Amino acid sequence: DTGVSQDPRHKITKRGQNVTFRCDPISEHNRLYWYRQTLGQGPEFLTYFQNEAQLEKSRLLSDRFSAERPKGSFSTLEIQRTEQGDSAMYLCASSLTEVNTEAFFGQGTRLTVV
Amino acid sequence: AQTVTQSQPEMSVQEAETVTLSCTYDTSESNYYLFWYKQPPSRQMILVIRQEAYKQQNATENRFSVNFQKAAKSFSLKISDSQLGDTAMYFCAFMNPRGDKIIFGKGTRLHILP
Repeated sequence: DTGVSQDPRHKITKRGQNVTFRCDPISEHNRLYWYRQTLGQGPEFLTYFQNEAQLEKSRLLSDRFSAERPKGSFSTLEIQRTEQGDSAMYLCASSLTEVNTEAFFGQGTRLTVV
Repeated sequence: AQTVTQSQPEMSVQEAETVTLSCTYDTSESNYYLFWYKQPPSRQMILVIRQEAYKQQNATENRFSVNFQKAAKSFSLKISDSQLGDTAMYFCAFMNPRGDKIIFGKGTRLHILP
């Protein structure tokens, strides 16, 4: 396990379709974060898991977005009824519980909604 | 709510020069963590340096150092002897003591010129 893995790396979908992204964190990391990043901007926080519990959600996460981490390992982010405004890079990061440890980021999933 | 502000959207310096990137933040927390992350073009985010708010001593990592001014809520990054490989987006980030959210600034695009 060499880092945070995200799948797919790229996704093109038609408006109105549902998409699901997967994140595999570093194996012993119990904290997991999802972010959205648009071109030239900083990552925007979406949601946070500690083990399997979703403890924090941004207001950016509308009812079309849902995230899960069923066994406290991998996580999925689903977007239903995609809109063109959902086009962005979706980043996943993981870290250990000790808060002064860094968050390690995956390479992201680039979503394009056409 | 915590906010992070980076007032320099873009900077360019000659190779071997020293450059300072600015960051201010707003929080009511007394203890927290601050980070600088680097995102090279089309590559994943990596940690450059971190600072715990309860530590008065400024963090240093080789050519990278910070100037942490807690009262002013300022956290600047100094890169000494800049190298071509330092070309990247740099993000300042704030993490609360619970670690359930990391807030990023909009970033500074740094170009190191040969």
